[in-house]
Amino acid sequence: DQQVKQNSPSLSVQEGRISILNCDYTNSMFDYFLWYKKYPAEGPTFLISISSIKDKNEDGRFTVFLNKSAKHLSLHIVPSQPGDSAVYFCAASAYNNNDMRFGAGTRLTVKP
Amino acid sequence: DTEVTQTPKHLVMGMTNKKSLKCEQHMGHRAMYWYKQKAKKPPELMFVYSYEKLSINESVPSRFSPECPNSSLLNLHLHALQPEDSALYLCASSQANGKETQYFGPGTRLLVL
Repeated sequence: DQQVKQNSPSLSVQEGRISILNCDYTNSMFDYFLWYKKYPAEGPTFLISISSIKDKNEDGRFTVFLNKSAKHLSLHIVPSQPGDSAVYFCAASAYNNNDMRFGAGTRLTVKP
Repeated sequence: DTEVTQTPKHLVMGMTNKKSLKCEQHMGHRAMYWYKQKAKKPPELMFVYSYEKLSINESVPSRFSPECPNSSLLNLHLHALQPEDSALYLCASSQANGKETQYFGPGTRLLVL
């Protein structure tokens, strides 16, 4: 049962432009959402998170938007840099529940 | 400091071997996790320890045996594995305070021959 979905397996963006990665979820109990970045053969690196009481969280070039009614979140990276090229995983959890669910990931390629 | 360390980085073992994966964190986190990740797939949760007690076991075969000796250490004991168990094994930890940002280690790349 895929409770967290990333429907785009890959995304290619020109350096300096905006990258938008999307994520949908089905479980209405989820109230905490995270984005992780992963390079090959390494562990996921925490990037940014958002609680369900907010609809936007910003950290430097990274902004996460949450639309609870649509059960949708997105990660915006602007401006995109070649070093951002990696696989990005969306994840979600419910309060006091350690069982975090991951999406399938989106491979972002930022071209110079 | 958000570092989770894992040893070894790589492990090759036969199906009759017994080996252990180790994970350590010194962030004062009270929840620790084992995940398995196959190529081009998301991490899959295997076990969760919360305050040194096993709280989640996602129907993992008994050839995988977790152990949490103390709040900083997490082991995964491996015995009689199958070639399909070859994967990247990731350890993570979190504060166990409700909002669970998990911090991951670099993983152990396991190959079962």
